[in-house]
Amino acid sequence: DTGVSQDPRHKITKRGQNVTFRCDPISEHNRLYWYRQTLGQGPEFLTYFQNEAQLEKSRLLSDRFSAERPKGSFSTLEIQRTEQGDSAMYLCASSWGPGSNTGELFFGEGSRLTVL
Amino acid sequence: GESVGLHLPTLSVQEGDNSIINCAYSNSASDYFIWYKQESGKGPQFIIDIRSNMDKRQGQRVTVLLNKTVKHLSLQIAATQPGDSAVYFCAEIGLGSARQLTFGSGTQLTVLP
Repeated sequence: DTGVSQDPRHKITKRGQNVTFRCDPISEHNRLYWYRQTLGQGPEFLTYFQNEAQLEKSRLLSDRFSAERPKGSFSTLEIQRTEQGDSAMYLCASSWGPGSNTGELFFGEGSRLTVL
Repeated sequence: GESVGLHLPTLSVQEGDNSIINCAYSNSASDYFIWYKQESGKGPQFIIDIRSNMDKRQGQRVTVLLNKTVKHLSLQIAATQPGDSAVYFCAEIGLGSARQLTFGSGTQLTVLP
């Protein structure tokens, strides 16, 4: 296992279209996170899964956003009716817990979304 | 509200010199801090962490200092190398069960030849 992988790496779409991103975490990790990062800013937390359960969602996650992790392995993040303000890098990260005594998250390389 | 911020957006250092990247935080209840490095086109990568019961922690070529009195932490990189050029973020662990990170806005470190 080489790390967290995300697909696609780049997505260009027109306003109003739906997009879906996929994340495959490190196989033994039970925790999975989605973050959003805009140019020049740090990543912002969107949502968190422990196994297949979505345990936390940020206020940033509007109703147009939905995330799933159906079998506790890979996860998808769908954005419906995209808006230009959704343009960002969507980062997935995974970790092992509870019981981990570190805050180390393993990030993927991200999926860059451009909404025209 | 709670925030984690950085003093300077950019820092340029000569190769071989030491680098110091600073970060201020506003939540006095924060008890765990992490430094991440993000190279262009890649996701953030963990560098080093520190808990509030410590004021210094050392890793390989990196040292993190925590001053709880003034709510400030810094990342020191010894003998900076070209491969150290990246954006550096400090982050704090949130209070929720998710242990989500709250990142600052980052400092771009450029290593000059």
